[in-house]
Amino acid sequence: AQRVTQPEKLLSVFKGAPVELKCNYSYSGSPELFWYVQYSRQRLQLLLRHISRESIKGFTADLNKGETSFHLKKPFAQEEDSAMYYCALSPIQGAQKLVFGQGTRLTINP
Amino acid sequence: EPEVTQTPSHQVTQMGQEVILRCVPISNHLYFYWYRQILGQKVEFLVSFYNNEISEKSEIFDDQFSVERPDGSNFTLKIRSTKLEDSAMYFCASSDGGSLGEQYFGPGTRLTVT
Repeated sequence: AQRVTQPEKLLSVFKGAPVELKCNYSYSGSPELFWYVQYSRQRLQLLLRHISRESIKGFTADLNKGETSFHLKKPFAQEEDSAMYYCALSPIQGAQKLVFGQGTRLTINP
Repeated sequence: EPEVTQTPSHQVTQMGQEVILRCVPISNHLYFYWYRQILGQKVEFLVSFYNNEISEKSEIFDDQFSVERPDGSNFTLKIRSTKLEDSAMYFCASSDGGSLGEQYFGPGTRLTVT
């Protein structure tokens, strides 16, 4: 079975503090992992994916196959980072379905 | 920048009625998807569509649901006889099917079944 778990529904940190949003997955093969973000009143949009190994808006995420995790990190949070963050898994590369986690609502306090 | 569009933004219907949710994917995309999100729950995959046929569907996508690409631009989700539990936000997404498989989402249609 394919499953994505985001243990924190809500996360609140102060501006300038480090942020880590946790994501664990369950899948027997080699999945593609993504982080999607939804800012207030906006649509879901891709933030980053593990295969690109890129940093977007200061966020990074490393795939740890041993721990089956794909945590999202940012060293210094900014107020504009406040949003809903979804971790998602795609079973194989290419145009396949996304399996989403529950989402974490991140609030950055001034 | 091209975007996926969805209409209507909000649909209210009575139980047992048929509804059609409409989506216009990004024009050069070949893969289309429907997802739904019941209030307070996770976004769930319903169906994927490629080359004018369903490529994958979830167990949620039963005989009450159907999808269609009636012309070169629209992609529709039909629910034949709505139930109260069909109330949710329905998202359409499209992808060009490249190796990175990024899916672009529409703004969603909120379906309320009374």
